[in-house]
Amino acid sequence: EPEVTQTPSHQVTQMGQEVILRCVPISNHLYFYWYRQILGQKVEFLVSFYNNEISEKSEIFDDQFSVERPDGSNFTLKIRSTKLEDSAMYFCASSLQGHTEAFFGQGTRLTVV
Amino acid sequence: AQSVTQPDIHITVSEGASLELRCNYSYGATPYLFWYVQSPGQGLQLLLKYFSGDTLVQGIKGFEAEFKRSQSSFNLRKPSVHWSDAAEYFCALIFGNEKLTFGTGTRLTIIP
Repeated sequence: EPEVTQTPSHQVTQMGQEVILRCVPISNHLYFYWYRQILGQKVEFLVSFYNNEISEKSEIFDDQFSVERPDGSNFTLKIRSTKLEDSAMYFCASSLQGHTEAFFGQGTRLTVV
Repeated sequence: AQSVTQPDIHITVSEGASLELRCNYSYGATPYLFWYVQSPGQGLQLLLKYFSGDTLVQGIKGFEAEFKRSQSSFNLRKPSVHWSDAAEYFCALIFGNEKLTFGTGTRLTIIP
């Protein structure tokens, strides 16, 4: 069964460093998403991506964040200068269409120290 | 404003007992409705979804949910829980645009 895969599963980084979280969405899906979940809190939407551009982003997704689909398979989230409050589980998701269910990866736990 | 509410932060049930997890929403139309489960240390797995049609939907792992328009609710049920059902359960909605909006989650604990 096709699935969304994320790497790494856990990343520790120093405050101020850049991190790139990687995702391989399901191959025939067209919509891609990043969500995050701070420990003990709800899952929050960060950004959606369709047709090689951001279609929607939340207020969390400020200038420190960027997304890219560098090739036909990968979808990345970059945080330019990490802050302590960026520590969270980051989930990548993809869907075949908008307005339908999204399939989530296992997540990358980011710890900023 | 559009919102999704899971009023129960934590529920404890005995193994073999029935389960109902509540989800309510505020929206001027019918959203697309989902339930996801997150086992400890795991990602989010889709249990079931409702777009239209029969308001009682069946999902995986023996779960079902019923959409009640009059109550703006989409409660998740299971007739007999198993210890492996212990997890965090998230109700999620699409309010007319692309993205999923999640509720705050309900943590389910199963006791012997």
